[in-house]
Amino acid sequence: DGGITQSPKYLFRKEGQNVTLSCEQNLNHDAMYWYRQDPGQGLRLIYYSQIVNDFQKGDIAEGYSVSREKKESFPLTVTSAQKNPTAFYLCASSIDKEGAGELFFGEGSRLTVL
Amino acid sequence: DAKTTQPPSMDCAEGRAANLPCNHSTISGNEYVYWYRQIHSQGPQYIIHGLKNNETNEMASLIITEDRKSSTLILPHATLRDTAVYYCIVRSLYSGGGADGLTFGKGTHLIIQP
Repeated sequence: DGGITQSPKYLFRKEGQNVTLSCEQNLNHDAMYWYRQDPGQGLRLIYYSQIVNDFQKGDIAEGYSVSREKKESFPLTVTSAQKNPTAFYLCASSIDKEGAGELFFGEGSRLTVL
Repeated sequence: DAKTTQPPSMDCAEGRAANLPCNHSTISGNEYVYWYRQIHSQGPQYIIHGLKNNETNEMASLIITEDRKSSTLILPHATLRDTAVYYCIVRSLYSGGGADGLTFGKGTHLIIQP
């Protein structure tokens, strides 16, 4: 079935370590996004990409990095520079480069820093 | 994008219609109203969107007032599985080249009571 796959679902990390969250989609969508969600809060945009080899910072990009080498893949690295990385991370995609239309979300990755 | 205002929480009896309000008094002429919902610890799911006419699909109905300053999402026969956080989002279909995703506020936590 078509969809978005995020892995791992749960991840624990020690302070000072970088960690990479995977996001893969087989929907042939152009645009992909990473959001962060803290308990009881809405979603905040970290990075987005409209096409391969191009990406833009969202509202809270500091301490994060991304790459878009393939249309299907948009991995997110949480670096040691991110001051409070414990959160629920959501990847999404949309068919339209302009960001119009509906977003399709993965099931999320929950990162806990020990 | 225009901002939206939603009640933080609502209760509804199982089998009844759930009516979720959203105010978007600063909406502009080219902005659509989108609704998503998020079941606990999952990715948000698209429900419906509309511009000015009422819309209906297999999940819900969307009623937009004539002045477009508010809207109501209607779940006609709520079930326990409809317990979730519901997000109302206003978004221009053509973002002028910036696929910056959708801005999700805190939404309404709808609790369906047995």
